[in-house]
Amino acid sequence: DTGVSQDPRHKITKRGQNVTFRCDPISEHNRLYWYRQTLGQGPEFLTYFQNEAQLEKSRLLSDRFSAERPKGSFSTLEIQRTEQGDSAMYLCASSLVSGSKETQYFGPGTRLLVL
Amino acid sequence: QKEVEQNSGPLSVPEGAIASLNCTYSDRVSQSFFWYRQYSGKSPELIMSIYSNGDKEDGRFTAQLNKASQYVSLLIRDSQPSDSATYLCAATRYSSASKIIFGSGTRLSIRP
Repeated sequence: DTGVSQDPRHKITKRGQNVTFRCDPISEHNRLYWYRQTLGQGPEFLTYFQNEAQLEKSRLLSDRFSAERPKGSFSTLEIQRTEQGDSAMYLCASSLVSGSKETQYFGPGTRLLVL
Repeated sequence: QKEVEQNSGPLSVPEGAIASLNCTYSDRVSQSFFWYRQYSGKSPELIMSIYSNGDKEDGRFTAQLNKASQYVSLLIRDSQPSDSATYLCAATRYSSASKIIFGSGTRLSIRP
């Protein structure tokens, strides 16, 4: 499978615990994005990387959230001290910029439930 | 005003008919527009991208962009039950061409 992969696909945790999600982008893609999606809403942008540099972060990304892409390949998203409001689908997308055009391709997502 | 707005639906269309999905956008988004399809419990899947005014066709799908009126639409010809899904309209911002802003999606139901 040459698409974007995410792990785990599902995560159930208790409030206050830390969780970490992993995303492996399409191999030749240099940009990687994280989104969060709740029921009945479209995905909301959280942050993105160009290679290993984190170029933009949303105000939605509180200090409990941190993302890394240490070698410009896979990325991790960590949520510390989880809250029930963090329950959502966390989506990763990757893209290859070609001139002024860029198309993002999504992974299958990690569904988080905080009890 | 939301940057990308869609009617949440559900939109019910008989099998074989044309499904028409509409989206309006604000001045803060521009440049690139996308339609994604999302089945329940799955991640968004890109259907069409459109960058300039006019129509763009790909198989049974046609995207239409009208920048003067600030709307983008998706037409699905010969609708099939497998087209039943939520369709997300998305656009990039002027200020950050990489950040995609999504609408909340329109639920489409194709009735046999």
